[in-house]
Amino acid sequence: IVMTQSPDSLAVSLGERATITCRSSQSILYTPYNKNYLAWYQQKPGQPPKLLISWASVRESGVPDRFRGSGSETDFTLTINSLQAEDVALYYCLQYYTTLGYSFGQGTKLEIK
Amino acid sequence: EVHLVESGGVVVQPGGSLRLSCAASGFTFEEYNMHWVRQSPGRGLEWISLISWDGHKSYYADSVKGRFRISREKSPNSLILQMNSLRVEDSAFYYCARDKSPFHSGLGSYPMDSWGQGTLVTVSS
Repeated sequence: IVMTQSPDSLAVSLGERATITCRSSQSILYTPYNKNYLAWYQQKPGQPPKLLISWASVRESGVPDRFRGSGSETDFTLTINSLQAEDVALYYCLQYYTTLGYSFGQGTKLEIK
Repeated sequence: EVHLVESGGVVVQPGGSLRLSCAASGFTFEEYNMHWVRQSPGRGLEWISLISWDGHKSYYADSVKGRFRISREKSPNSLILQMNSLRVEDSAFYYCARDKSPFHSGLGSYPMDSWGQGTLVTVSS
């Protein structure tokens, strides 16, 4: 499954909204469970990735509620409302639909305008 | 607290072999699927391998299939990546990572929620 993120880079003013999209080459909705096997990660320089959202829309404990995941089947969005300086990072989507092979999007670099 | 510490990254020549280890603590190791993920400097994340909680199943990205082998050991709890026939393009930070939920949580597969700090592998002549 190929994951394609857009844009590759994004500059947003402080306090404004950032939107990153991720498209999968096939549906990653497992209908018996009604769950999308899609996660979002944040990575800051020199650090490993941090899991922000799993199941397309479930925030991890401690993740600010300005981070919102949405979408289903093949099209997904990470929205960051009211951008803060500490949100500058790389963001990746991950599909974990099958243990046969997980795959990440190519990443989106988020900067302050 | 979950603790994952990778080791074994060095400079190696093309065609060479290397064994990476990841020491795991702070959780019931035998209940979790484990992964290796790599990241070339300045590049994106690449999932490369998964091993099931019981060690009976393993999966690989096409880029490493047939050259890398993932395994796990007890006492101490360790995740291993045996890397053979190394290529320049295998140069990267290698992270070990744990599934968010144990195998018996009932949803099949999970994202990785705990990561080590990574170990750097450089393949160069």
